[in-house]
Amino acid sequence: NAGVTQTPKFRVLKTGQSMTLLCAQDMNHEYMYWYRQDPGMGLRLIHYSVGEGTTAKGEVPDGYNVSRLKKQNFLLGLESAAPSQTSVYFCASTAGRTSSGANVLTFGAGSRLTVL
Amino acid sequence: GQNIDQPTEMTATEGAIVQINCTYQTSGFNGLFWYQQHAGEAPTFLSYNVLDGLEEKGRFSSFLSRSKGYSYLLLKELQMKDSASYLCAVPKPYSNDYKLSFGAGTTVTVRA
Repeated sequence: NAGVTQTPKFRVLKTGQSMTLLCAQDMNHEYMYWYRQDPGMGLRLIHYSVGEGTTAKGEVPDGYNVSRLKKQNFLLGLESAAPSQTSVYFCASTAGRTSSGANVLTFGAGSRLTVL
Repeated sequence: GQNIDQPTEMTATEGAIVQINCTYQTSGFNGLFWYQQHAGEAPTFLSYNVLDGLEEKGRFSSFLSRSKGYSYLLLKELQMKDSASYLCAVPKPYSNDYKLSFGAGTTVTVRA
């Protein structure tokens, strides 16, 4: 199984450009999340989805949009990139609570975005 | 919100023991996770505690005290491959969307 796959892995943008990050999971998970990770700040939740066709805002949603048209895919869009959006972006998914009570997240390998 | 604190960096010698502390504040406790993240890679699940006490899993153990809002991850018989960042995380309380809030992570460096 591939698990969670993110594309692209690296991207350099100029300020004002737009782009879309794609997250695909093959585990039939209901819940999907987009986080950004910056030095000294840990993982911060941007947007998330609790099922196909749903999206919701996380902790730092401004400047981003998302869509979940298919259960296996969760897209993160940057409408007009800014240098402050230079970061490593991680997608994650989970099926929800397991028999042990743990809702373990499976992460993608990350997408490193630089905005000049 | 949830406040999660953990030390920024720790250094230890190969074969030694290191304890990574995590304190948290949350309005409704629903478990605590530890993840491991090697440089340039994705975080991977290490442990989950929901009841007080010590959970042992090979060389790694995780402890929880709900009354003190405190957990630690204990790494024994350190190996060079244990050099990584260790992330403490708690779920958002009173929700069924399984969102996790993460601490900033503790970077552990294992020296020969």
